[in-house]
Amino acid sequence: DTEVTQTPKHLVMGMTNKKSLKCEQHMGHRAMYWYKQKAKKPPELMFVYSYEKLSINESVPSRFSPECPNSSLLNLHLHALQPEDSALYLCASSQGSHMGGPYGYTFGSGTRLTVV
Amino acid sequence: DQQVKQNSPSLSVQEGRISILNCDYTNSMFDYFLWYKKYPAEGPTFLISISSIKDKNEDGRFTVFLNKSAKHLSLHIVPSQPGDSAVYFCAASARYGGATNKLIFGTGTLLAVQP
Repeated sequence: DTEVTQTPKHLVMGMTNKKSLKCEQHMGHRAMYWYKQKAKKPPELMFVYSYEKLSINESVPSRFSPECPNSSLLNLHLHALQPEDSALYLCASSQGSHMGGPYGYTFGSGTRLTVV
Repeated sequence: DQQVKQNSPSLSVQEGRISILNCDYTNSMFDYFLWYKKYPAEGPTFLISISSIKDKNEDGRFTVFLNKSAKHLSLHIVPSQPGDSAVYFCAASARYGGATNKLIFGTGTLLAVQP
């Protein structure tokens, strides 16, 4: 299995809703990432998990809450989002957080989030 | 501050010709540079990378050139095929806190290969 699977593919939520994005990989990768991509912009790093521990939080607002229950799963819990949080949320994984360089990351297809 | 820049938002080439995508960076501490390809509604797909200690890496139709003195890299695709039409992102790998790398992406170039 060489894929990163993200669910759901599309999500529409109100500003008072609580929802979660899910990401799964079975490649034995020990680092997992959340990126956010707005239209016509590059992906921007949000969080890095290394060996199931949060190692980077790029000053992301607390309405985004990541969770790594085990080495194969990564969740992003959403609460009280704003319309400007609407974007494509990408999950990625790599063999190790120190080895992202030459091998790159494997990305999922993303969740298209719309906040209304 | 955009550390990785792709100054051409779009590029159109004829099938069979060479496509050259350019990328500039500002941080001399980047250790690897990577190119990703992205189709609409899909995640980026890793194409090719180059270490900061090399000046060329080739993989099939794809070659990446690195000019460290100019802080510039380019991706050459030859021959270009219609299936190559996508957004291409340049990315740079940076050490963060000693043990963690993170990828910083450029703004992307939309390549259109005309049949």
